[in-house]
Amino acid sequence: DTGVSQDPRHKITKRGQNVTFRCDPISEHNRLYWYRQTLGQGPEFLTYFQNEAQLEKSRLLSDRFSAERPKGSFSTLEIQRTEQGDSAMYLCASSLAAGGTGLNEQFFGPGTRLTVL
Amino acid sequence: AQSVTQLDSHVSVSEGTPVLLRCNYSSSYSPSLFWYVQHPNKGLQLLLKYTSAATLVKGINGFEAEFKKSETSFHLTKPSAHMSDAAEYFCVVTGRRALTFGSGTRLQVQP
Repeated sequence: DTGVSQDPRHKITKRGQNVTFRCDPISEHNRLYWYRQTLGQGPEFLTYFQNEAQLEKSRLLSDRFSAERPKGSFSTLEIQRTEQGDSAMYLCASSLAAGGTGLNEQFFGPGTRLTVL
Repeated sequence: AQSVTQLDSHVSVSEGTPVLLRCNYSSSYSPSLFWYVQHPNKGLQLLLKYTSAATLVKGINGFEAEFKKSETSFHLTKPSAHMSDAAEYFCVVTGRRALTFGSGTRLQVQP
């Protein structure tokens, strides 16, 4: 399967613990995105990378959140000192950068469902 | 800035009847628009996209959508619903880099 993969698929943690999620994009895609989806809502943009550079962060991404894409391939999203409000589905997507300001289709992974007790 | 409003949070149809899922958008420039579908426990899948070519866009599984600039709408339609169409549908507008999703419409298909 050459789609976007995410690991783990489910994570249950206690409040105050740190968690880290991994995303492996489609191999030739140079853009990688993180979104958060809470119950009954559409996904909300968190941050995105072009190659290894983190180019944009949403105001939703508090100081407790950090994302990396060290070699321009896989990415990790870490949440420190988790809170119950962090419970959500965390989605990763990848795409090819289009020319100019165009936006190519984003391909989504299955998501990591986080439950903070 | 851009935003999307999906006018119905829940739509219920009978199998074999038409489907209409409504979406209005707001964008400060010429947008690209998408419809994604999310089945339970599965990832988001692109149904169709509008990128300023033809205003009537055909997608997968018999879905299509019409871009109407004057009405700032991008409604999704299908002539005949199938049980397998039951899912959550998201209307999406592009920002400069990321996507802005609507809150979703849950489509229920009754036998």
